[in-house]
Amino acid sequence: AQSVSQHNHHVILSEAASLELGCNYSYGGTVNLFWYVQYPGQHLQLLLKYFSGDPLVKGIKGFEAEFIKSKFSFNLRKPSVQWSDTAEYFCAVINSGGYNKLIFGAGTRLAVHP
Amino acid sequence: GAGVSQTPSNKVTEKGKYVELRCDPISGHTALYWYRQSLGQGPEFLIYFQGTGAADDSGLPNDRFFAVRPEGSVSTLKIQRTERGDSAVYLCASRRTGEDGYTFGSGTRLTVV
Repeated sequence: AQSVSQHNHHVILSEAASLELGCNYSYGGTVNLFWYVQYPGQHLQLLLKYFSGDPLVKGIKGFEAEFIKSKFSFNLRKPSVQWSDTAEYFCAVINSGGYNKLIFGAGTRLAVHP
Repeated sequence: GAGVSQTPSNKVTEKGKYVELRCDPISGHTALYWYRQSLGQGPEFLIYFQGTGAADDSGLPNDRFFAVRPEGSVSTLKIQRTERGDSAVYLCASRRTGEDGYTFGSGTRLTVV
């Protein structure tokens, strides 16, 4: 069965620090990959997605992610975090032919201190 | 409406009771998904509707859980004989068929005491 692993459950950073959140998936076929963010008290929002083409994907709010097929990875990065990036981040995958149902990782809770 | 609406936002019920959770998707979105998010976990797939029919219910944990979408818009997730382990946030998402953008609701926080 498909699964998604997020390596860090909690990350604490100071403002302006760089961020990288790990995500690995287990599925050998064609996949579509997503990062979602959930700000405190809000619903899940899409940060970015990868379907095909350039493996370096740019999303909203300065986030980017790189798809490395050989490593089954889709790590999320941001060069300089802000206090407003404090949230929970979820990596998710859809396999082609799977009714487009998202399979989520357990999430990474990011706290950014001023 | 502009987004996916879920009601109630919070529900506290006693063990053994029956509950219904409602999802009102974005108008025109034929695909509807239910997820469950337990504390410290990512959302877990429960069931997917395409129109009125449940195309994939493989995520429903047992036969106490059931969902309907009789007119292809509003969906209701029904849980019988609730157990404390059912406590979680139940999320609904909708999508227009052929597009890849999901819209999630804010969820219903169910607490079984």
